[in-house]
Amino acid sequence: KQEVTQIPAALSVPEGENLVLNCSFTDSAIYNLQWFRQDPGKGLTSLLLIQSSQREQTSGRLNASLDKSSGRSTLYIAASQPGDSATYLCAVWNTGFQKLVFGTGTRLLVSP
Amino acid sequence: NAGVTQTPKFQVLKTGQSMTLQCAQDMNHEYMSWYRQDPGMGLRLIHYSVGAGITDQGEVPNGYNVSRSTTEDFPLRLLSAAPSQTSVYFCASSYSRLQLQPQHFGDGTRLSIL
Repeated sequence: KQEVTQIPAALSVPEGENLVLNCSFTDSAIYNLQWFRQDPGKGLTSLLLIQSSQREQTSGRLNASLDKSSGRSTLYIAASQPGDSATYLCAVWNTGFQKLVFGTGTRLLVSP
Repeated sequence: NAGVTQTPKFQVLKTGQSMTLQCAQDMNHEYMSWYRQDPGMGLRLIHYSVGAGITDQGEVPNGYNVSRSTTEDFPLRLLSAAPSQTSVYFCASSYSRLQLQPQHFGDGTRLSIL
C-alpha cells in the first residue's frame, strides 16, 4: 500500500528565505507526482506535475524534483513571500491504480 | 471557464438524512473523483469515474453512491448520513485517466452531521 509522508508538518520562515518542503513515498512504482497548494477554506490548486520519467519541473519561483528510486520529492520555493503562506500537499499517482494518494501536508507561514 | 463547481458550499444534516452533493465541470474532462478531507488523515478517495457510465470505488466508499450519466456531472449521494461522515468533500477532474495533465479541484463542500 502506497504511503506518502510530508515533513515538516509545519514551517514558519521570515520573508525572503529560500525553503524546501519534503515528500517521501513508499512505493516507487508511481506514474506521476503532483504538488498542490491549499489555502484555508479553499480547494487544492495544482502547482507542479512531474511525470515518472522526469527529474524536475519549474514554475516561476517553484522547483520540484523527483527521485523515484529513493522515493523522494522536494518542492523548493525561492525568495518566499507572505502570499506563499498556505498548506502544501504532495500526491502520487500509482501505476495501475486510478487514484491520487496524498500526504497530510506541510503548513507554511511566511512572516513579513 | 468555471472549472469544477461544487454545491452546496456548506450543509448541516441530521443523522439518517440523505442528500446529494453536486459536482460539475465544464472542461470536457474524462476522469472525475470525490475525496473527503479529515484532520490528520489527508484526502481519501471515495469514488471515481473514468468516463460517462463508468464508476468505481475508492478507499472509503461505504455510505456513499455515485453515478455518471453525463461527462459534466458527478454527484455524490449520502444514503443515510452518520456523524462519521462529517468532513470536507472535494470533487476533482482531469482530462483523462492517463493523468498527463494536472487534476482540478472544486472549492469543497463542508458537511456537518448532527
